[in-house]
Amino acid sequence: AQTVTQSQPEMSVQEAETVTLSCTYDTSENNYYLFWYKQPPSRQMILVIRQEAYKQQNATENRFSVNFQKAAKSFSLKISDSQLGDTAMYFCALTGANSKLTFGKGITLSVRP
Amino acid sequence: NAGVTQTPKFQVLKTGQSMTLQCAQDMNHEYMSWYRQDPGMGLRLIHYSVGAGITDQGEVPNGYNVSRSTTEDFPLRLLSAAPSQTSVYFCASQGETYNSPLHFGNGTRLTVT
Repeated sequence: AQTVTQSQPEMSVQEAETVTLSCTYDTSENNYYLFWYKQPPSRQMILVIRQEAYKQQNATENRFSVNFQKAAKSFSLKISDSQLGDTAMYFCALTGANSKLTFGKGITLSVRP
Repeated sequence: NAGVTQTPKFQVLKTGQSMTLQCAQDMNHEYMSWYRQDPGMGLRLIHYSVGAGITDQGEVPNGYNVSRSTTEDFPLRLLSAAPSQTSVYFCASQGETYNSPLHFGNGTRLTVT
């Protein structure tokens, strides 16, 4: 069975600052993908970023980047220049070729003006 | 392009009542799934389908039924609602490969009294 752990239930950051959201995982598969999804107060689930396990280069999408440490099974999300619109719940998720998508419990991020 | 359409957005049921949550996608995705979201629990997989006529159980299937008569539609049925089924429900579809991101509906907030 695969697991995804987000140990921080909530975080707060000042607007324009940088924040890092932590995620650790466990899987027995060799080929897998990791995702970060954002859920704003509107409840919509939005894909933020995706990382392929066999790629050593960390994925980036504008202000969002990941720190993927495969040996440590860690997949943290860094948000640079935080904006008020980044206030949301963020979910880390893992999928493998032989397993279904598994979500972490989520972290609530608040961006302070 | 509508993506994944999920109805209703809100629903209140009394214990023992039945209802169907509707889900339709227009992206010709074979894979569809239902999740429930509860505070502190993340998203948990209820049922999923890899194509028309094929369904399987996820992590928390008890109390729910599904069917997949067409590629487009994947309804979720609650035969006898219980207060423990109070939750937010999401339908999702996915492209051909396991690493494709999920496309989510906008969710249904269900309250069972």
